[in-house]
Amino acid sequence: GQQVMQIPQYQHVQEGEDFTTYCNSSTTLSNIQWYKQRPGGHPVFLIQLVKSGEVKKQKRLTFQFGEAKKNSSLHITATQTTDVGTYFCAAMDSSYKLIFGSGTRLLVRP
Amino acid sequence: ETGVTQTPRHLVMGMTNKKSLKCEQHLGHNAMYWYKQSAKKPLELMFVYNFKEQTENNSVPSRFSPECPNSSHLFLHLHTLQPEDSALYLCASSQGDREVDTQYFGPGTRLTVL
Repeated sequence: GQQVMQIPQYQHVQEGEDFTTYCNSSTTLSNIQWYKQRPGGHPVFLIQLVKSGEVKKQKRLTFQFGEAKKNSSLHITATQTTDVGTYFCAAMDSSYKLIFGSGTRLLVRP
Repeated sequence: ETGVTQTPRHLVMGMTNKKSLKCEQHLGHNAMYWYKQSAKKPLELMFVYNFKEQTENNSVPSRFSPECPNSSHLFLHLHTLQPEDSALYLCASSQGDREVDTQYFGPGTRLTVL
């Protein structure tokens, strides 16, 4: 079945540094979603990307969908302690189920 | 956020017990899901219900039995579980629109099987 690979597994940064997580698929994706899960919490929807090469911004977060629609990235500029959590990408497979990546856990040193 | 609620929030059970997890969504959605989240694996989809009909069963052991009496409620009945079933069980709901479908998660039930 379809798999979505996400790297890195962990990222530990100093507050103020940037952070990026990457999501890759071997097949073309119809769309990709990003979720954030705070420690002890549940996944919360952040954004959905649909178009090839699409770029969307939410304050310090920048989301990109690759031209070939096989990869995506989430970039956080100048991380803050409130950014701590696990970031998941999720892609819809051919039977319209969401397949989640393994997540990138972000830790921020104050 | 109270769109999707789950009870109980924590559950400890023995391998011979029978228990049920409950999920309720107040968002008017048509699709509901059960996921398992453990430390070693990413979010694993267990069951999908769309318009109350089960449309997906991801090779889940029969000791997990879902029930969806209506589009707002979803249950997961548990019996004779194994210690490796200890995990966070998350319920989610969505519109059920196949093309653009955002999932809204409940807070989860932290299950420990002794």
